[in-house]
Amino acid sequence: GAVVSQHPSRVICKSGTSVKIECRSLDFQATTMFWYRQFPKQSLMLMATSNEGSKATYEQGVEKDKFLINHASLTLSTLTVTSAHPEDSSFYICSARELPWTGGNSPLHFGNGTRLTVT
Amino acid sequence: SQQGEEDPQALSIQEGENATMNCSYKTSINNLQWYRQNSGRGLVHLILIRSNEREKHSGRLRVTLDTSKKSSSLLITASRAADTASYFCAAKSSNTGKLIFGQGTTLQVKP
Repeated sequence: GAVVSQHPSRVICKSGTSVKIECRSLDFQATTMFWYRQFPKQSLMLMATSNEGSKATYEQGVEKDKFLINHASLTLSTLTVTSAHPEDSSFYICSARELPWTGGNSPLHFGNGTRLTVT
Repeated sequence: SQQGEEDPQALSIQEGENATMNCSYKTSINNLQWYRQNSGRGLVHLILIRSNEREKHSGRLRVTLDTSKKSSSLLITASRAADTASYFCAAKSSNTGKLIFGQGTTLQVKP
């Protein structure tokens, strides 16, 4: 089945530094990837939609200059948390929809998430 | 909030029993999907039901959809300890195309 690899699985960084999270589709191509944030025991909140070869689309309330998204190829999207603060500590999960996309009824394939801790 | 609601928030049952989780959503949908999440991991797709379907089965899973009530249910029959996880419904909005996740149900199956 389709596999999405997310790296790193855990990262601890100091306040003010930047952290890059990678999301790769291993055996399929994805023109669109999605980045979610999940707080403990809560649901997934969509942060942004990553589009290959064009700018990401951010959800309301998500700072695009703080959460930089790059989707340079059909198999790789990256999320960079810039100038990290402790309140950015969270679980970040990416997902991708496999091509060929069968209309609106294709499931998403999720990475295993990245636990970010900002000290 | 566009987030869907699920109930119960937590469910604890014995192995072999059935588990039923309910989901309600607010928007018009193309489909509704159910995902499973083990602690600290990503989500795994379980089953998708289209807006013109009312019931769907996959192994021990049975999903129903009532678009008039904007609700869905997931039934896991003959539960196993390995079914212990969080379960999320996700409604695919026909207006925006986005997946809107419910709050999730944490299921514990005791051996």
